[in-house]
Amino acid sequence: NAGVMQNPRHLVRRRGQEARLRCSPMKGHSHVYWYRQLPEEGLKFMVYLQKENIIDESGMPKERFSAEFPKEGPSILRIQQVVRGDSAAYFCASSPQSQETQYFGPGTRLLVL
Amino acid sequence: GQNIDQPTEMTATEGAIVQINCTYQTSGFNGLFWYQQHAGEAPTFLSYNVLDGLEEKGRFSSFLSRSKGYSYLLLKELQMKDSASYLCATIKAAGNKLTFGGGTRVLVKP
Repeated sequence: NAGVMQNPRHLVRRRGQEARLRCSPMKGHSHVYWYRQLPEEGLKFMVYLQKENIIDESGMPKERFSAEFPKEGPSILRIQQVVRGDSAAYFCASSPQSQETQYFGPGTRLLVL
Repeated sequence: GQNIDQPTEMTATEGAIVQINCTYQTSGFNGLFWYQQHAGEAPTFLSYNVLDGLEEKGRFSSFLSRSKGYSYLLLKELQMKDSASYLCATIKAAGNKLTFGGGTRVLVKP
């Protein structure tokens, strides 16, 4: 049973470009979470999704950031017009049901030049 | 609101025991997680406490006191590979997001 998959593992973008981060949850998991970890800081919740629905986006900046989890395919975290402050590790996690253990993927390390 | 505190850094000797404390103030608290994170890697699940008491899993044990807003992670028979950050996180009864503390960096010395 493969774990949570994320790609790309590393992504370099110039200021103003778009970044698209992908996450495939563990098999049988329908709950997906995105967290951001800034350098030398703790993990911060961004958004929680179930298939085709955003359940909680309270941690996601209102501008430039969006997330989706379509019926088919991976969850996507999209950052438009990236700025240097977006440089961070973005981790996706999944769980089979609510209130159950969240398992993390390897992360995507975004560097904005 | 939520406030989760854990020490920033701890050092211990190989073979010894280390206890990492975590205090929290979480309205609507439902449970507490511990994760291990090696530098540059993903957090790995260690334990999930919902009820008061001690849960033991091999060399690692986790304790929770809901009335005191307190948990600890106990690492026994330390090995060099245990050098990592240990993250305490709470989850509320309503909602599924984890709120993390800043993490405790543990350095195991020979």
